[in-house]
Amino acid sequence: GDQVEQSPSALSLHEGTGSALRCNFTTTMRAVQWFQQNSRGSLINLFYLASGTKENGRLKSTFNSKESYSTLHIRDAQLEDSGTYFCAAEATASSFSKLVFGQGTSLSVVP
Amino acid sequence: NAGVIQTPRHKVTGKGQEATLWCEPISGHSAVFWYRQTIVQGLEFLTYFRNQAPIDDSGMPKERFSAQMPNQSHSTLKIQSTQPQDSAVYLCASSRGYEQYFGPGTRLTVL
Repeated sequence: GDQVEQSPSALSLHEGTGSALRCNFTTTMRAVQWFQQNSRGSLINLFYLASGTKENGRLKSTFNSKESYSTLHIRDAQLEDSGTYFCAAEATASSFSKLVFGQGTSLSVVP
Repeated sequence: NAGVIQTPRHKVTGKGQEATLWCEPISGHSAVFWYRQTIVQGLEFLTYFRNQAPIDDSGMPKERFSAQMPNQSHSTLKIQSTQPQDSAVYLCASSRGYEQYFGPGTRLTVL
């Protein structure tokens, strides 16, 4: 069944504003990755988290394994942030594990 | 570091023909993963190899699909007797234990 529920499915932001994306997991996940898929279709690595919070520039991500969710915060959105954002989680305890993806959030940043 | 390399980037086949997709992982990465992306199903896991050995093929269709990793520098995904429903972007990823890095994908179109 569905293990990763991602929301919202679409989001429009004005330049300079911010918002949060969220993934809820229906089973215990070991780690989460966040990706941006750009207009050429390439998946760009944003974060890998086994726990806690990481920040990189205008992006910040949190993974709470006990409460089974992860968030990606975007602040001061820029036009180049437009694209589709995916969370993906590893379900097993093994250091090598397939990723289960959310359905994605289509982000449009407008002037 | 060239990242994960996938060839061809685009492939068009006629129904019933065979398609072979190639993936070269990042040097030093011991695991190779194959995923498929469609609009309807999103990103789905197909199969993966660790140290060239097949570990999990739970996402592979039981018929017509096969994957090999004959050496540490490349993996292939072969689809026999292609059908229109096989049309998708096929993504390869590599990892050395945790974070996965994706190639640009091969867009397969079956007419």
